[in-house]
Amino acid sequence: GDSVTQMEGPVTLSEEAFLTINCTYTATGYPSLFWYVQYPGEGLQLLLKATKADDKGSNKGFEATYRKETTSFHLEKGSVQVSDSAVYFCALILLNFGNEKLTFGTGTRLTIIP
Amino acid sequence: EADIYQTPRYLVIGTGKKITLECSQTMGHDKMYWYQQDPGMELHLIHYSYGVNSTEKGDLSSESTVSRIRTEHFPLTLESARPSHTSQYLCASARSGVYNEQFFGPGTRLTVL
Repeated sequence: GDSVTQMEGPVTLSEEAFLTINCTYTATGYPSLFWYVQYPGEGLQLLLKATKADDKGSNKGFEATYRKETTSFHLEKGSVQVSDSAVYFCALILLNFGNEKLTFGTGTRLTIIP
Repeated sequence: EADIYQTPRYLVIGTGKKITLECSQTMGHDKMYWYQQDPGMELHLIHYSYGVNSTEKGDLSSESTVSRIRTEHFPLTLESARPSHTSQYLCASARSGVYNEQFFGPGTRLTVL
């Protein structure tokens, strides 16, 4: 079945450090890929998405590139801030009519220290 | 800005009580979902709906039930709550169509004593 494997956390970085959170996937077709973020006490928010190979999603300084050859969608940010502390979820969906469910990774907790 | 609401945000109840968690969205989305999030953060799909009068069980077996009588409303009910039901419950909705981007509510944190 379809699955998403995420880098295990927690991840702790200093402010202004470079961030990478690894995400790889297994899917029978050609999925769309997403990164969601969950701030403390809140629901999930879509951070960025990519719908086909070589697409780059970007938002709020975060980027991720859909790599079909390595089945990966790693999340990166050049300089993190304390406000980026949250849990990050990688997810995929296969666009099969009548069976469109998100498959989530287990989440990576990120803490940024000043 | 997503317009999806969940009430209550926090609920503490005793074993055996019947409870209903409310979820409403004002975006006219056909698709709605309930997830259970365990303390380790992992999300499990427990129910979903593709429209009015449509409900399906998700990947994780749940003793809860859902109904979809109106497009905007997707309540989840536990007939007899138990401590094992203690969890965070997240509701989401999505348009039909290409990306199926899901918009999430703020969640209900349920504690059953």
